Amino acid sequence: DGGITQSPKYLFRKEGQNVTLSCEQNLNHDAMYWYRQDPGQGLRLIYYSQIVNDFQKGDIAEGYSVSREKKESFPLTVTSAQKNPTAFYLCASGITGGAGTEAFFGQGTRLTVV
Amino acid sequence: AQTVTQSQPEMSVQEAETVTLSCTYDTSESDYYLFWYKQPPSRQMILVIRQEAYKQQNATENRFSVNFQKAAKSFSLKISDSQLGDAAMYFCAYRSAGGADGLTFGKGTHLIIQP
Repeated sequence: DGGITQSPKYLFRKEGQNVTLSCEQNLNHDAMYWYRQDPGQGLRLIYYSQIVNDFQKGDIAEGYSVSREKKESFPLTVTSAQKNPTAFYLCASGITGGAGTEAFFGQGTRLTVV
Repeated sequence: AQTVTQSQPEMSVQEAETVTLSCTYDTSESDYYLFWYKQPPSRQMILVIRQEAYKQQNATENRFSVNFQKAAKSFSLKISDSQLGDAAMYFCAYRSAGGADGLTFGKGTHLIIQP
């Protein structure tokens, strides 16, 4: 079955550590996205990528980094520079251009700083 | 930059009744797409309905329909015959026609279904 897989489902990070969230898709989508969800804030865009080896900052990129070495994969690293990393993180993919299709989402990763 | 506003943090409706969730957006573009997503307690984002801005006809999907008012930049979601499984967070989202930079979301409306 085609879809988006995020792992792990729950992640705990100590202060000062970097952690990487995995996102893999087999939908053959060019575009991939990372969103952060906080209570009462909706979803906010962290980074997005339209093509392999290229990515752009979203609205809240500070303290995060990404890579796009393969079409299927778009991992997100939460660095120690991110001051408040505890949140729910959603990865999505979609078709670029004027097709106007929706974004398809993974099941999310809940990150907690301990 | 586009913005999406959902003015109702929480709504409550009796089972089998009809409820309307509000959404307004701000954009200078003429060609774009609008979506309603549902996020149940599992937190999986599920597409409910989509609307192309160039289409005047309002989209419908079974019990779900929209009232799209382009001039007013309004995009409300009507849920008819509400069911317990409709209880969730509902997010309104905007996407430019090019779609390169993803979706812009509102802050969501928490829908409660009273049995």
